[in-house]
Amino acid sequence: ETGVTQSPTHLIKTRGQQVTLRCSSQSGHNTVSWYQQALGQGPQFIFQYYREEENGRGNFPPRFSGLQFPNYSSELNVNALELDDSALYLCASSLTSGATDTQYFGPGTRLTVL
Amino acid sequence: AQSVTQPDIHITVSEGASLELRCNYSYGATPYLFWYVQSPGQGLQLLLKYFSGDTLVQGIKGFEAEFKRSQSSFNLRKPSVHWSDAAEYFCAVVNWNNNDMRFGAGTRLTVKP
Repeated sequence: ETGVTQSPTHLIKTRGQQVTLRCSSQSGHNTVSWYQQALGQGPQFIFQYYREEENGRGNFPPRFSGLQFPNYSSELNVNALELDDSALYLCASSLTSGATDTQYFGPGTRLTVL
Repeated sequence: AQSVTQPDIHITVSEGASLELRCNYSYGATPYLFWYVQSPGQGLQLLLKYFSGDTLVQGIKGFEAEFKRSQSSFNLRKPSVHWSDAAEYFCAVVNWNNNDMRFGAGTRLTVKP
């Protein structure tokens, strides 16, 4: 069984640019959640996708957007990058969208914005 | 909105000693509570979760947690710590209306030989 994978591992961008991060769900999982983890902090919920539809969103501006594909892989897009967007971005997949479902996390993508 | 507080930023224990990591939550309804562990360079791994029923929850790696509604707490415990338990530990509560999972700031555990 393949776990959750994310690409790339590391990324460096400059302020104002756009970035796309990718996530492959664990086999059989139809739900993906994205989190931002700043240095020394706990993860913050960005949004969740269930069967290709956004299924919940945290307190992040619209320049954070996402997609989920028919194979349930997912992308996180961030436009107009700001310095504060520098963080570890984690995705997690779960069997369904239920709040009690166990989320399986990937290793994350480290984004640095200069 | 729901929130989680982990009062201890860093804890050091000796190998073989017992461990308790504190977690206090704020949530208007019945909370769904979780404990995750994060090792360097790795994603988060679920240790245990609580939704209802028995307030003492058993998890993986010998961890357990006790839900105390009167104290709004969900403390994590382990009777005997191993060097491999050194990691960052996060408590979380989920808002089941929008699946917003709120994490605490984490507690870093150091294990002395």
